[in-house]
Amino acid sequence: QVQLVESGGGVVQPGRSLRLSCAASGFTFSNYGMHWVRQAPGKGLEWVAVIWYDESNKYYADSVKGRFTISRDTSKNTLFLQMNSLRVEDTAIYYCARDLGPYQLPGDYFDYWGQGTLVTVSS
Amino acid sequence: EIVLTQSPATLSLSPGERATLSCRASQSISNSLAWYQQKPGQAPRLLIYDASKRATGIPARFSGSGSGTDFTLTISSLEPEDFAVYYCQQRSDWQGWTFGQGTKVEIK
Repeated sequence: QVQLVESGGGVVQPGRSLRLSCAASGFTFSNYGMHWVRQAPGKGLEWVAVIWYDESNKYYADSVKGRFTISRDTSKNTLFLQMNSLRVEDTAIYYCARDLGPYQLPGDYFDYWGQGTLVTVSS
Repeated sequence: EIVLTQSPATLSLSPGERATLSCRASQSISNSLAWYQQKPGQAPRLLIYDASKRATGIPARFSGSGSGTDFTLTISSLEPEDFAVYYCQQRSDWQGWTFGQGTKVEIK
């Protein structure tokens, strides 16, 4: 069965960095585009970043562009989100999510989600 | 920029009743819309995509309709496990993936 397991969250001071990981299993990771979506406490969902299945493109929300970097290691079936220059407003649960359907360029929807990892940015 | 507006913000209903949730796009998005369900402490779950296609394993009491700018998620008869927050979502080439603000379906 498809599983996505995030890790790497925690409490960090403004301006510092954090790296999130998402371990994927139960499907051919290299065939799917992958996303990060976040949710601030008590708020709605905000898409953060996407990496295409063939790694040919990466896109970011304006709110994180230039600060966050999405990447993937196909040999380890793992998705990453490097977060630099963190701000208080980046505080959220970060979910990794899979494209609906393989080989999407890009995919329109998200069919599997991890359980999320909480990032708290606070001094 | 395409904005998705969901209504109502909160829907108070009893088990067995019919729920009708609305999502309006600020400009036409054809049928490129999905619905997700999120329960407290859980990740969102895909219910409907392409406006009316049920995702794998989703019960038939969930249905989606609409195209262009007006979309509806209908739950024909609410089960206790259906009380949750529901989000609509779309993708556009110039702004990526966006979500509505959510509709909470609560027990009356």
